[in-house]
Amino acid sequence: AQKVTQAQTEISVVEKEDVTLDCVYETRDTTYYLFWYKQPPSGELVFLIRRNSFDEQNEISGRYSWNFQKSTSSFNFTITASQVVDSAVYFCALPGTDDSSYKLIFGSGTRLLVRP
Amino acid sequence: DTEVTQTPKHLVMGMTNKKSLKCEQHMGHRAMYWYKQKAKKPPELMFVYSYEKLSINESVPSRFSPECPNSSLLNLHLHALQPEDSALYLCASSQEGIGWLVRGYTFGSGTRLTVV
Repeated sequence: AQKVTQAQTEISVVEKEDVTLDCVYETRDTTYYLFWYKQPPSGELVFLIRRNSFDEQNEISGRYSWNFQKSTSSFNFTITASQVVDSAVYFCALPGTDDSSYKLIFGSGTRLLVRP
Repeated sequence: DTEVTQTPKHLVMGMTNKKSLKCEQHMGHRAMYWYKQKAKKPPELMFVYSYEKLSINESVPSRFSPECPNSSLLNLHLHALQPEDSALYLCASSQEGIGWLVRGYTFGSGTRLTVV
């Protein structure tokens, strides 16, 4: 069955520190997609990135970067030079399999607090 | 227009009230979803509409009644709710119809529901 584990419940950093959010997943699919979403206090889940299992190249978008390692089933997310606006809950997710492929399976989320 | 709009943002209702949540998207997305999110938990799927037809009901109690009047609108009718139904209700849409989720969801900002 599909499973996403975000072992870090809460992380607190001081502004300008780098921070890495871990995501480990389990899937029996050979082809799959992985997602990261950000949920600020306002509540909306904001799409950050989609990665397909064919592409193991790391991705960078401004201060955000993602490290996808198929060998260890991990898809970690790093924020460089964190800012207060990065404070949010971050969810890693992957679609269900077979007859649940319409459903996003979320990890439990990591709450990031960036202090000024 | 790349948004999913939800109204109202906040709702307080008594256990004998009838109310409705509304969700709208104009991206031409083929599937629309209702998710429920309790505090400090990831979202949980409730319903899926694909091409305006109810495709998935995740064993949701009948006091929640979804409706999809057209391809852009999704409603969630609420009746005789319990205090434990208090949560953030998120609407989402996806470009694909029900099936293999490739592009992920676009989420609305949610309705914070309190049942008193």
